Amino acid sequence: NAGVMQNPRHLVRRRGQEARLRCSPVKGHSHVYWYRQLPEEGLKFMVYLQKENIIDESGMPKERFSAEFPKEGPSILRIQQVVRGDSAAYFCASSPPGTSGSYNEQFFGPGTRLTVL
Amino acid sequence: AQSVTQPDIHITVSEGASLELRCNYSYGATPYLFWYVQSPGQGLQLLLKYFSGDTLVQGIKGFEAEFKRSQSSFNLRKPSVHWSDAAEYFCASGGATNKLIFGTGTLLAVQP
Repeated sequence: NAGVMQNPRHLVRRRGQEARLRCSPVKGHSHVYWYRQLPEEGLKFMVYLQKENIIDESGMPKERFSAEFPKEGPSILRIQQVVRGDSAAYFCASSPPGTSGSYNEQFFGPGTRLTVL
Repeated sequence: AQSVTQPDIHITVSEGASLELRCNYSYGATPYLFWYVQSPGQGLQLLLKYFSGDTLVQGIKGFEAEFKRSQSSFNLRKPSVHWSDAAEYFCASGGATNKLIFGTGTLLAVQP
């Protein structure tokens, strides 16, 4: 069984360009989470999505960042007009659908390392 | 607010020695607790997790962790460290919101 897949693994952008990061969850998982890891820091939650719905975006910067998880296809994290401070590793995790109020274990992808020149 | 603290940024141990990595959490209820390991340039691998029940949890690669409610701790232990254990270790907590809160990590170096 394939795990969580992320592409590209490495992405280089110049300031002002757009970055698109893709995440394909484990087959059968309908929940996706995005986390950002800045250099020498732990992972910080960004957004939690279910198919076609944003459930929790409390960790997303207010501007330039957006995320989607369409009915078909991978989840996309989009960063517009990137700045040097966006350089980080971005990890996606997925979990299966579960019962309300229970915790669903998250499985992590290998990450996309974004470098902004 | 929910938080996770890993007091040790770097730890160096000799191969074959025992290891304990510290983790403290702050949460109103009993959280779900996890330890992940990250090798350089890689993603996160789950070592073990605690949801409820027995407070001593066994994980992969010979790791274990003990949940101590009175100390708000979930320390990771291994009786004999191998050179391949050199990596960064993250403690994390989760609650009803499903998002994970991570500590800042402990970088483990293993001396021959």
